[in-house]
Amino acid sequence: GDSVTQTEGLVTLTEGLPVMLNCTYQTAYSTFLFWYVQHLNEAPKLLLKSSTDNKRTEHQGFHATLHKSSSSFHLQKSSAQLSDSALYYCALANTGANTGKLTFGHGTILRVHP
Amino acid sequence: DPKIIQKPKYLVAVTGSEKILICEQYLGHNAMYWYRQSAKKPLEFMFSYSYQKLMDNQTASSRFQPQSSKKNHLDLQITALKPDDSATYFCASSQDRVSNERLFFGHGTKLSVL
Repeated sequence: GDSVTQTEGLVTLTEGLPVMLNCTYQTAYSTFLFWYVQHLNEAPKLLLKSSTDNKRTEHQGFHATLHKSSSSFHLQKSSAQLSDSALYYCALANTGANTGKLTFGHGTILRVHP
Repeated sequence: DPKIIQKPKYLVAVTGSEKILICEQYLGHNAMYWYRQSAKKPLEFMFSYSYQKLMDNQTASSRFQPQSSKKNHLDLQITALKPDDSATYFCASSQDRVSNERLFFGHGTKLSVL
């Protein structure tokens, strides 16, 4: 079945440093890849999505490029802000199934400190 | 204003009892979902509904029964509760049940089974 693997656990950064959260996936089908962000006591919400190979997708200062050759969709930001502290989920949707189901990774907690 | 309302926000139950988690969405979406977030596990797809019809069920146990009385409602009945059912249950919706659709999540119901 489909699976998503993310940077494990907690990533701690100093404000102003670059952010990189890893995401790799496995699927036998064409996919859409997503990044969802969940701030403390909030609902998860969409940050980025892509299905186009080697095309950079950007939103709110974050960017990610889907690389089908390496099955990766890493999330990056040039300069971390305190407000970026949150739980980040990488997820995939299998276009073949068409059920709307997302398969999520375990999530990576990003903690940005001054 | 929250567009997906989940009730209650917190729920404590005893083993063996039955509970109903409520979800209403006011986004005019045609597809609704339930996801579960257990400790040390990723967000896990449970069910998808489209136009009040069950489209996908990834829940092994029949103790979990979704109920859709209206197009914008998708409640989740859980019977014979077990401590392992303790989790945060997220309701979500999307315009239609296609793989590239953005999911909108509610704030979740945190269930604790004693």
